[in-house]
Amino acid sequence: ETGVTQTPRHLVMGMTNKKSLKCEQHLGHNAMYWYKQSAKKPLELMFVYSLEERVENNSVPSRFSPECPNSSHLFLHLHTLQPEDSALYLCASSPRGSPEAPPGELFFGEGSRLTVL
Amino acid sequence: DQQVKQNSPSLSVQEGRISILNCDYTNSMFDYFLWYKKYPAEGPTFLISISSIKDKNEDGRFTVFLNKSAKHLSLHIVPSQPGDSAVYFCAASAQYYGGSQGNLIFGKGTKLSVKP
Repeated sequence: ETGVTQTPRHLVMGMTNKKSLKCEQHLGHNAMYWYKQSAKKPLELMFVYSLEERVENNSVPSRFSPECPNSSHLFLHLHTLQPEDSALYLCASSPRGSPEAPPGELFFGEGSRLTVL
Repeated sequence: DQQVKQNSPSLSVQEGRISILNCDYTNSMFDYFLWYKKYPAEGPTFLISISSIKDKNEDGRFTVFLNKSAKHLSLHIVPSQPGDSAVYFCAASAQYYGGSQGNLIFGKGTKLSVKP
């Protein structure tokens, strides 16, 4: 099993659809993240969950709705998206706050490539 | 405004030579810096890091240099190998010494091509 698994790897949806991205980590980490990578832009932090509580919401539009039911799973629910939301969505995990782990060493999944028509 | 800048979108180097990737930052609160490497169709993977109390960190063929006064860091790869061809992201974090992990701010990345 890979450390951080994302499904689906590719998703095409219309602007009126509702879909979800799923992330699962098998590393025993206590924090999970959603990042967005648009073309020609840096990775942008969207949400941070630490011990299943959302600790950061980086001014993300409400059409993106995260859910963290437990420390191993993270979802990103999508509804009424816009074509400009087409991007690579990356999930990551880390042992946040652990003195043994270098801060900021995130473990990324392979990403979900989203296309909004 | 970008807090972490990688001004070279691409770099081409001959196998065996040195690759130098540069990164500038604007936020003086950043106290921990990282480099990530990304192959196509894969997520970024952690490569090497450096805290602001150091000016150099070495791990095998990879060395990161930090110049705090210039707010500049660089990644040196010696010798470069074709397998090093990837996109390299610089990232920075604040609040390390505050006892909590700040969130990472990434640059846009530099695509390194190492030619045989």
